[in-house]
Amino acid sequence: QVQLVQSGAEVKKPGASVKVSCKASGYIFTKYYMHWMRQAPGQGPEWMGIINPSDGTTSYAQKLQGRVTMTRDTSTSTVYMEVSSLRFEDTAVYYCARGIVEVPAPISSVDYWGQGTLVTVSS
Amino acid sequence: EIVLTQSPGTLSMSPGERATLSCRASQRISSSYLAWYQQKPGQAPRLLIYSTFSRATGIPDRFSGSGSGTDFSLIISTLEPEDFAVYYCQQYGNSPTFGQGTRLEIK
Repeated sequence: QVQLVQSGAEVKKPGASVKVSCKASGYIFTKYYMHWMRQAPGQGPEWMGIINPSDGTTSYAQKLQGRVTMTRDTSTSTVYMEVSSLRFEDTAVYYCARGIVEVPAPISSVDYWGQGTLVTVSS
Repeated sequence: EIVLTQSPGTLSMSPGERATLSCRASQRISSSYLAWYQQKPGQAPRLLIYSTFSRATGIPDRFSGSGSGTDFSLIISTLEPEDFAVYYCQQYGNSPTFGQGTRLEIK
């Protein structure tokens, strides 16, 4: 069965960086895009960007351009998402989620989600 | 950026009733690129409907989607106790965005 397992909660100071991992299993890792979303307390989800695990190409939300980096390691079927120059408003639960269609189809909805990683930015 | 506005913000209904949730886009979107998700407290969202009409794997047929252009709806034909949750619409045609959610609560 498809599983996405994320790394644990993080507490960071403003200006620091955070890197969250998402290990995939139960399917062919390179066949499906991986999306990252985040959800601030009491808000709807926010799409952050997408990575093609096959070739590593990425596309980021304009709001986060320059502060977010997504990478992948095909040897461990793991994707990573790093946010730099953290601000208080980056406090949220961060999710990885698999696209429902195989690469190289365009952006799709997502079906399987990780369990979420709480990132707290606090001084 | 395409803004999605969901209404109502909160919907109070009883099990057995029919629920209709709305999602309005700030500009026209293709029916191929509209999805609905259900989220319960402490859980990740769950995909219900994609491409406006198509049910995701394992989703009961009491859930259905409709709409076109800028106006879309999620219909739950007969509410079950487990359906009370928050629902989000999402467009994924260009730089995906989500609505702010509709909370479906027990009356």
